[in-house]
Amino acid sequence: AQSVTQPDIHITVSEGASLELRCNYSYGATPYLFWYVQSPGQGLQLLLKYFSGDTLVQGIKGFEAEFKRSQSSFNLRKPSVHWSDAAEYFCAVGGSGGYNKLIFGAGTRLAVHP
Amino acid sequence: GAVVSQHPSRVICKSGTSVKIECRSLDFQATTMFWYRQFPKQSLMLMATSNEGSKATYEQGVEKDKFLINHASLTLSTLTVTSAHPEDSSFYICSASTAGGVEGYTFGSGTRLTVV
Repeated sequence: AQSVTQPDIHITVSEGASLELRCNYSYGATPYLFWYVQSPGQGLQLLLKYFSGDTLVQGIKGFEAEFKRSQSSFNLRKPSVHWSDAAEYFCAVGGSGGYNKLIFGAGTRLAVHP
Repeated sequence: GAVVSQHPSRVICKSGTSVKIECRSLDFQATTMFWYRQFPKQSLMLMATSNEGSKATYEQGVEKDKFLINHASLTLSTLTVTSAHPEDSSFYICSASTAGGVEGYTFGSGTRLTVV
C-alpha cells in the first residue's frame, strides 16, 4: 500500500537551533517526493522536491532534504530555524507524469520558541 | 513559476444551498487538477482527480453527486458542493500539475467553506 508516515505530530525548537522533520514512505514505483509548508488558513507552498539524481535536494528558505532509498526516507532539514518557519509541514509522495495523485503524510506542526 | 488561483477564499452559505469553487491555472495548462479537503489540524484528503474533458475520478467514500467537479478547459476546474450541510464545512484546496509533472504540483490558496 502507498503511504507516507510523519512520526512527529508536533515539534518545538528554539530559534537558531537546527531542525529535522522525518518522513518515511511506502510506494510501489519510483517515487516523486515533496515537502510542502502550510501557514494557517493558507494553501501549500512547495519547499522542495526529489525526482531523481542527487539525493540531497536544496529547497527554498534554506531547507534541504535527503532521499535515502534504503530507508525509504526523505527527511527535511534546516541548520538554523527562524521564528517565521513556524507552520505545518507535509511530506508527500507521488508518481511520475503529473497525473498521479499525491499521498500526504499527517503533517508535523512546528513551533519555534524565541 | 506556476500559479494556481482559487476563488473564493472564504464563503459562508446557508444549509441546503450550493456553492461553487473555482480553480484556475494562470500561466500553464493543467490537464489534471486535484481537489482536496482538509479538516482542522489534519492532513489533506484527496477527494477527486479532475481531467480536462472527461469525468472526474472520485476517491472511495466521496459522494460524486454531492461534490460535482467540472474541468471544461485546460485552465479551469470547478468544485460545486450541492445542497450543502454544516458537516460540509471545511477547507478545500485544489492543485494542478504542469505538463509531465516535473515541476511538481502547485496548490491554490484554499477555500474556507462554512455552512450555517
